[in-house]
Amino acid sequence: GAGVSQSPRYKVTKRGQDVALRCDPISGHVSLYWYRQALGQGPEFLTYFNYEAQQDKSGLPNDRFSAERPEGSISTLTIQRTEQRDSAMYRCASSPRTFYGYTFGSGTRLTVV
Amino acid sequence: QQPVQSPQAVILREGEDAVINCSSSKALYSVHWYRQKHGEAPIFLMILLKGGEQKGHDKISASFNEKKQQSSLYLTASQLSYSGTYFCGTANRSGNTPLVFGKGTRLSVIA
Repeated sequence: GAGVSQSPRYKVTKRGQDVALRCDPISGHVSLYWYRQALGQGPEFLTYFNYEAQQDKSGLPNDRFSAERPEGSISTLTIQRTEQRDSAMYRCASSPRTFYGYTFGSGTRLTVV
Repeated sequence: QQPVQSPQAVILREGEDAVINCSSSKALYSVHWYRQKHGEAPIFLMILLKGGEQKGHDKISASFNEKKQQSSLYLTASQLSYSGTYFCGTANRSGNTPLVFGKGTRLSVIA
């Protein structure tokens, strides 16, 4: 596609529910990154993939968070048993390969009530 | 290790210049610069690699001093469209490592 597409744009969920956030990167981009961004702060790294392989998940806050990219294209970030502290903007980015800039998606605003 | 940006915020009149700094306590391999407008996604501006290069386009340029472990973004003859929050993102080693972003510098350009 023309850009990085994320869905849904907004998600309101009740505490304890599971949510799945989707990211569709730019076609052909090797690397896909998940970040979380609090209001007024810089993006905080969560995890990233090269093709379908998860290279680093050190930024995932705890084992309720997981991500996959099974065919090396679309990725899903799943949060199980959501808590209020999970409320944030979740951003996905992709890049063609090493030493290229990231293209960020518009993000998913998650609100846990 | 999160890079430190300074200043946290700056207000300019159109036509004035600004410098935004990004420093790290660890050796840097590459530095990215992004601009984010309110309610939008960060937009990539430029990347600087180890080697002290200076890059630029239009009136926005940047330098990278690997010895000092810092990068600076230069905005000259600022325009209203330059307003936004500027983030540096750093990588401490080569290869496809994820960026660590600073907390941002909020730039406001007024007429």
